[in-house]
Amino acid sequence: QVSLKESGPVLVKPTETLTLTCSVSGFSLSESRLGVSWFRQPPGKALEWLAHIYSNDEKSYSTSLKSDLTISRDTSKGQVVLTMTNVDPVDTATYFCARKVGVGGYSGDGYDYWGQGMLVTVSS
Amino acid sequence: SYELTQPPSVSVSPGQTASITCSGDKLGDKYTCWYQQRPGQSPVLIIYQDDKRPSGIPERFSGSNSGNTATLTIIGTQVLDEADYYCQSWDSGTRVVFGGGTKLTVL
Repeated sequence: QVSLKESGPVLVKPTETLTLTCSVSGFSLSESRLGVSWFRQPPGKALEWLAHIYSNDEKSYSTSLKSDLTISRDTSKGQVVLTMTNVDPVDTATYFCARKVGVGGYSGDGYDYWGQGMLVTVSS
Repeated sequence: SYELTQPPSVSVSPGQTASITCSGDKLGDKYTCWYQQRPGQSPVLIIYQDDKRPSGIPERFSGSNSGNTATLTIIGTQVLDEADYYCQSWDSGTRVVFGGGTKLTVL
């Protein structure tokens, strides 16, 4: 069955680079029309989309965070990696990855499978 | 950038109908999805393509989208429906946008 799981450091210092890995199973990252996004949710706040990678390896990024984010994948390992440079305490949040069918909003399909999320704290 | 606006909270009595709105400029021209998130859990997709329910989502959940407003309706609300609800759409076709979330209280 389909599953996703986030992993990475639980504590990072300000100005450091955060690297998170989403390990997927039950589907292939190169399977047509499938893609994976990263999201975050600060404690007590709303969900925020960060980046998406498509089955053809195209990427899309949040406009406000684009300069700090890089999304990539290792298809053979079934992993999607998000790097965020120059982190700040405001980046403290639970980070989720999730799977989506279809291309962006053109298909209207939502995110049907989500990881359990992991809390990342940015503090010195 | 594109914004979606939800009421911060909605209250409903058990068995009654709850409606949660999501407003955005010409939102009816875009697709909208809805997610349910219980405390400490990951979001769950409950509506996609404005009005479709994924397998396993109860029929009491329905969605609509027209003009500038999308609406999530829960008919016969149950105590277990108490959760945060988020609408989601797209900006420029590919950038994902969420509303600020609505806390549904069933009492």
